[in-house]
Amino acid sequence: AQSVAQPEDQVNVAEGNPLTVKCTYSVSGNPYLFWYVQYPNRGLQFLLKYITGDNLVKGSYGFEAEFNKSQTSFHLKKPSALVSDSALYFCAVRGYNNNDMRFGAGTRLTVKP
Amino acid sequence: EAGVAQSPRYKIIEKRQSVAFWCNPISGHATLYWYQQILGQGPKLLIQFQNNGVVDDSQLPKDRFSAERLKGVDSTLKIQPAKLEDSAVYLCASSFDPGHSTGELFFGEGSRLTVL
Repeated sequence: AQSVAQPEDQVNVAEGNPLTVKCTYSVSGNPYLFWYVQYPNRGLQFLLKYITGDNLVKGSYGFEAEFNKSQTSFHLKKPSALVSDSALYFCAVRGYNNNDMRFGAGTRLTVKP
Repeated sequence: EAGVAQSPRYKIIEKRQSVAFWCNPISGHATLYWYQQILGQGPKLLIQFQNNGVVDDSQLPKDRFSAERLKGVDSTLKIQPAKLEDSAVYLCASSFDPGHSTGELFFGEGSRLTVL
């Protein structure tokens, strides 16, 4: 079965600095990879996904993610962090013909002014 | 476009009582999911419906949890009897993908259950 690891429980960055939230995955065959964000007392909101094609995927709110097949990674990035980016971020993976979307444990991003 | 609707938002019950959560997915979305999110963890799939049929319920504790989607639209998740470890947020999600795995999920705001 597919799985996702988010090695950092917490990431702290200063406003204006670049941010990276790490994700590695395990799946049989080609992966479908997703990033979601969760604000307090809210459901998860979709940010971006990688299905096929260009390894650099651009999404909502200036976020992007880079798919690296050799390292089985899909790190989330943003060139310049905002205080409003502070939230819980989840990486998720699905395999081809597999409907179960598996989520990582989440990484709490804190952006300080 | 209306989002995924869930109710109630919050529920507090005593252990061994029962509780039911309701979900109305985005119109036209064939696939509906119930996830359990325990504090500090990622969401865990409980059950997935494609229209009114069950696709995956392998992680649903069937001795106490049940779910239905009778007309292929809204869905109900029931817990009876509840245990302390059922305290969690129950997230409903829907997606359009007609049999493919590429579609993102759209989540409701969740129903937070506290079992005392």
